[in-house]
Amino acid sequence: NAGVTQTPKFRILKIGQSMTLQCTQDMNHNYMYWYRQDPGMGLKLIYYSVGAGITDKGEVPNGYNVSRSTTEDFPLRLELAAPSQTSVYFCASSYSPDSLNEKLFFGSGTQLSVL
Amino acid sequence: AQTVTQSQPEMSVQEAETVTLSCTYDTSESDYYLFWYKQPPSRQMILVIRQEAYKQQNATENRFSVNFQKAAKSFSLKISDSQLGDAAMYFCAFHNAGNMLTFGGGTRLMVKP
Repeated sequence: NAGVTQTPKFRILKIGQSMTLQCTQDMNHNYMYWYRQDPGMGLKLIYYSVGAGITDKGEVPNGYNVSRSTTEDFPLRLELAAPSQTSVYFCASSYSPDSLNEKLFFGSGTQLSVL
Repeated sequence: AQTVTQSQPEMSVQEAETVTLSCTYDTSESDYYLFWYKQPPSRQMILVIRQEAYKQQNATENRFSVNFQKAAKSFSLKISDSQLGDAAMYFCAFHNAGNMLTFGGGTRLMVKP
């Protein structure tokens, strides 16, 4: 059982470049999330999705876009990379929206540097 | 909006001893869950323990236990018999009905042999 898989693990971008961070889960989870973790800080929610075709903004969505065409995949797009987007990005998933007692499964993270 | 505060950026404990990590939160909701996550150098987020707000009994998981004070909005983590493998960043998190997980800023735990 692979769980939540993120690619790439590391990436360096130049200012103004674009890229897509990939996230795939094989647990048939409805809910998926993207977080960013700045150095020495906790995680902040960028976007989340409650199912295929449905996405919504989190706390820090500016500069990012997402799509959810399938249950398994939830890619995060950076269109014009800026130094402020240097961070570690985590994808996570959970199964049900009906219970508050829902464990989140995290990917291993993507270290992104924008220079 | 909910906020989660961890007032200890770093903590240190001697191997085999006990350490307590602090967490406070602010919310107007009555139904929610609280979590402690461990983040080792591998960066993976690992669930350590969770507490349901409607339960008065404090959650325990082997060497890990919490002291949940709902009125004070406090949720501390106690690690007993600390081991070298416990060294990591620890994050307190709040989970509400909107399915948003709000994290604190983290506490770095160092374990001395």
